Amino acid sequence: EAQVTQNPRYLITVTGKKLTVTCSQNMNHEYMSWYRQDPGLGLRQIYYSMNVEVTDKGDVPEGYKVSRKEKRNFPLILESPSPNQTSLYFCASSLTYGGTYNEQFFGPGTRLTVL
Amino acid sequence: DQQVKQNSPSLSVQEGRISILNCDYTNSMFDYFLWYKKYPAEGPTFLISISSIKDKNEDGRFTVFLNKSAKHLSLHIVPSQPGDSAVYFCAAIRSGGGADGLTFGKGTHLIIQP
Repeated sequence: EAQVTQNPRYLITVTGKKLTVTCSQNMNHEYMSWYRQDPGLGLRQIYYSMNVEVTDKGDVPEGYKVSRKEKRNFPLILESPSPNQTSLYFCASSLTYGGTYNEQFFGPGTRLTVL
Repeated sequence: DQQVKQNSPSLSVQEGRISILNCDYTNSMFDYFLWYKKYPAEGPTFLISISSIKDKNEDGRFTVFLNKSAKHLSLHIVPSQPGDSAVYFCAAIRSGGGADGLTFGKGTHLIIQP
């Protein structure tokens, strides 16, 4: 089954404790992206990756890191989480970017709480 | 600076009637528009899209209309069904531009009343 998976689905942590949210897709998609969803703000892009070893900042990258060592995986890293990073996070992927747009497929979400 | 706006946080419609969800955008570089549907505890799923070269796209009960001069698009659901109750996000992108992701609106919570 074609899908985007995220782990963990739920996480409660404390300020300053490094964490990683994993994202994996099995559709051989080139483009992957992370979004956060906050009440009243909709979905905002954190980082994106056009292909292996190619990443760039989205609209709200502060406090986050990403890596793209393999095509299928795009982990989101919070080196020193803070309470304002409490949010619902979505990973997404699409076949490619630009040109004829290909729809993005979203993972199920990771609800993160930073105390 | 909100480039994609959904001004109705929620909308309540009776089952069987038409649901109309609205979306406005400010960036004239956007040339591809999408609607996503989101149920609680799930990721958004693609619903329907439209290119700026068209003014209408239809898929079953769902139709999206685009008015480029007004920078406005709308999603029509006819007839509305209980399973349509969800949050709907309007999104836009410059398909011929760089690798920027989708720009989303804040979403409209559609509630279908029995």
